[in-house]
Amino acid sequence: GAGVSQSPSNKVTEKGKDVELRCDPISGHTALYWYRQSLGQGLEFLIYFQGNSAPDKSGLPSDRFSAERTGGSVSTLTIQRTQQEDSAVYLCASSFYLAGGRGQFFGPGTRLTVL
Amino acid sequence: TQLLEQSPQFLSIQEGENLTVYCNSSSVFSSLQWYRQEPGEGPVLLVTVVTGGEVKKLKRLTFQFGDARKDSSLHITAAQTGDTGLYLCAGRQGGSEKLVFGKGTKLTVNP
Repeated sequence: GAGVSQSPSNKVTEKGKDVELRCDPISGHTALYWYRQSLGQGLEFLIYFQGNSAPDKSGLPSDRFSAERTGGSVSTLTIQRTQQEDSAVYLCASSFYLAGGRGQFFGPGTRLTVL
Repeated sequence: TQLLEQSPQFLSIQEGENLTVYCNSSSVFSSLQWYRQEPGEGPVLLVTVVTGGEVKKLKRLTFQFGDARKDSSLHITAAQTGDTGLYLCAGRQGGSEKLVFGKGTKLTVNP
């Protein structure tokens, strides 16, 4: 399809395990964003990529969270030693750089549940 | 502290009624966007407003950006059941690519 895709759509893991979440942006979009959406909360910015570099990673909650992007395309968000408070929907979005009014295009999200 | 405050948090109305939701901040934004999100899906962009005092219309939806670029409103005329969803405002400050989101207004339009 032509939209942003994320996998897996659902992930259940045990506390202390590592998880990897994947995002495939829209072809040609140079900017890629990760957000977290918890129950009752708005979208919380985590990190933004322009190409393969991350000019703004100010939203990553702790050093257990990391992300990378390769080939200016696919991105992976890794959470190490997961905690119950990491349970949330993780959303990825992509856009043209300096998208301005064109907005960000979001994927359907990965629902992460940490038991 | 939430940078963008949305109100009301929940709104349940009958089909055909009008409604307004608000997005307020004490900070100035270079642009503000409204998104709509349905369960199990990511948010979808409705509109971007950039100029203070700007008004944009999208069919039955009217969006306004405050003169000081600190607040915005979304007005829906003659709501339909298809308008049901979570409405999110998001702002960009300065030249940052980062979007700051409000917590959203969950709208339910009953038949």
